[in-house]
Amino acid sequence: EPEVTQTPSHQVTQMGQEVILRCVPISNHLYFYWYRQILGQKVEFLVSFYNNEISEKSEIFDDQFSVERPDGSNFTLKIRSTKLEDSAMYFCARQHVANTGELFFGEGSRLTVL
Amino acid sequence: QKEVEQNSGPLSVPEGAIASLNCTYSDRGSQSFFWYRQYSGKSPELIMSIYSNGDKEDGRFTAQLNKASQYVSLLIRDSQPSDSATYLCAVNLAHRRGSTLGRLYFGRGTQLTVWP
Repeated sequence: EPEVTQTPSHQVTQMGQEVILRCVPISNHLYFYWYRQILGQKVEFLVSFYNNEISEKSEIFDDQFSVERPDGSNFTLKIRSTKLEDSAMYFCARQHVANTGELFFGEGSRLTVL
Repeated sequence: QKEVEQNSGPLSVPEGAIASLNCTYSDRGSQSFFWYRQYSGKSPELIMSIYSNGDKEDGRFTAQLNKASQYVSLLIRDSQPSDSATYLCAVNLAHRRGSTLGRLYFGRGTQLTVWP
């Protein structure tokens, strides 16, 4: 059973549209992360989220991206105006144990931008 | 700057053999090192973590760390066809100012094929 559940598993959207990807943790954790993987490329860090605030973001995470935890449970990644190059797998992850960098990844959401 | 480098492979070994996967990293201050397995179309799955020099064994897997050489390796003994996957090396740079524990830098991965 996955530690985090991600929805949708696959989303196809038109360029310029807004997309919201969701992550639901199985148990209550404070630290969450979003990563992405463009097909055939490295897994890349986007943002870390601790106690309802962004704690770190990468240079990829520009103004088009935002994260929220709107109801204290679901954890969302929003892309405001999608571009073709946003097509990728997006992974939500939580820390396995406090004070380590061990991450458990969700099954991912595949985003295809046409 | 490439933080983590891996041979992309593909690496092909027969069933029962030892598969050896290698990784180098650029930041000498790195403290935490991880190996993830990723099946095609799936998410990364943590298989080993190592924090100090030497070997760490877990079942058929052994991680080796040499901080002086900035080198991490993963050995898979008695390789099985089910081990066929891409193996990702990841490094944490939490010692850098403002960097969180879970910010990992991944290599491109080494594709391993174990043939029966």
